[in-house]
Amino acid sequence: DQQVKQNSPSLSVQEGRISILNCDYTNSMFDYFLWYKKYPAEGPTFLISISSIKDKNEDGRFTVFLNKSAKHLSLHIVPSQPGDSAVYFCAASALKSGYALNFGKGTSLLVTP
Amino acid sequence: DAGVIQSPRHEVTEMGQEVTLRCKPISGHDYLFWYRQTMMRGLELLIYFNNNVPIDDSGMPEDRFSAKMPNASFSTLKIQPSEPRDSAVYFCASSGRAQGFAEQYFGPGTRLTVT
Repeated sequence: DQQVKQNSPSLSVQEGRISILNCDYTNSMFDYFLWYKKYPAEGPTFLISISSIKDKNEDGRFTVFLNKSAKHLSLHIVPSQPGDSAVYFCAASALKSGYALNFGKGTSLLVTP
Repeated sequence: DAGVIQSPRHEVTEMGQEVTLRCKPISGHDYLFWYRQTMMRGLELLIYFNNNVPIDDSGMPEDRFSAKMPNASFSTLKIQPSEPRDSAVYFCASSGRAQGFAEQYFGPGTRLTVT
């Protein structure tokens, strides 16, 4: 049972434009959310996170938005760069139950010059 | 720091053979996680340890899978006997107090092929 869903398997964006990656979750116990970036033949790399007590967290070109009522979060990348081309995974955790992460299946982002 | 180290990076074995995957977490990290990635199921947690003690192994698919953490710097995931459906990429990850434990750092993975 997939508790974290990324419904867009792929996304293509022009360099310099905004990339928006979406993620939905079903478990209302989740209180911490993370985005990971993955290049081929490498492990996922932590990108940015947000606690459920916030609705926005920003780190340079990356911003994560959380809408708890809709059980939805999104990752905005502005401006997008060719080096951002990778698979992005959304993950969620219920910290009171431990630190296990539930991952979505990923969205493959392609940033074209 | 060298990051999380996994070995081997690739493993090809025949059905029925024993497979052992190895992981060295980041020094000082208290938590160690084993994940498996397949096309069908994505990234799924198999088991995780806190201070070398298994905390949650509910993701371990069946008795053919076992994991150990004999000390803070080493963990193994063993599959015995292996089956073709075990073919996947296996990731080890660790986390520590400085990151609040929730942010996990992943190794490069071991690609396992069982023929």
